[in-house]
Amino acid sequence: GQQVMQIPQYQHVQEGEDFTTYCNSSTTLSNIQWYKQRPGGHPVFLIQLVKSGEVKKQKRLTFQFGEAKKNSSLHITATQTTDVGTYFCAGNGGATNKLIFGTGTLLAVQP
Amino acid sequence: NAGVTQTPKFQVLKTGQSMTLQCAQDMNHEYMSWYRQDPGMGLRLIHYSVGAGITDQGEVPNGYNVSRSTTEDFPLRLLSAAPSQTSVYFCASARTWSTEAFFGQGTRLTVV
Repeated sequence: GQQVMQIPQYQHVQEGEDFTTYCNSSTTLSNIQWYKQRPGGHPVFLIQLVKSGEVKKQKRLTFQFGEAKKNSSLHITATQTTDVGTYFCAGNGGATNKLIFGTGTLLAVQP
Repeated sequence: NAGVTQTPKFQVLKTGQSMTLQCAQDMNHEYMSWYRQDPGMGLRLIHYSVGAGITDQGEVPNGYNVSRSTTEDFPLRLLSAAPSQTSVYFCASARTWSTEAFFGQGTRLTVV
């Protein structure tokens, strides 16, 4: 079945440093979604990418969808303590209507 | 606007007991799903539904049953709880299978 992996599993940065998490799917995705989960909270939708090679920005966050629609990345410029949490990618692959989540990247930001 | 409501928030079960985790949404969403979250394993799909009367298995369906008699409700039943089912459970709903998912607050379940 479809598998979605993320690396790294954990990242610790100093406030002001950049951060990137990578998402790789075993199958071609129809779209990719990104979610953020604060410690003790629930996942909250950030963005959806649909087109091959698509790039979207939200303030300090930049999201990319790979040309082959099998990988994606989230880049945060100049991290802040409010960026702390776990970032998940999620996608629908092939002929399935299942939304499969990646393993997540836990971001810790030291002030 | 309540969104997605899960009950209970916390539950402790003994091995072999059964229980139902409740999930209700008030956004008239067709797509609903259940995930479990375990450390280092992300969110794994248990069961999902694309509309009332229609359910299907996700990645880890064993030991769980679901039903979808109404658009609003999607309960998750644990038939005979096992310690391996200790986890945090999230219910989610979306307008369709490919649109933004809204999550409930989660249920932290411990099976002893």
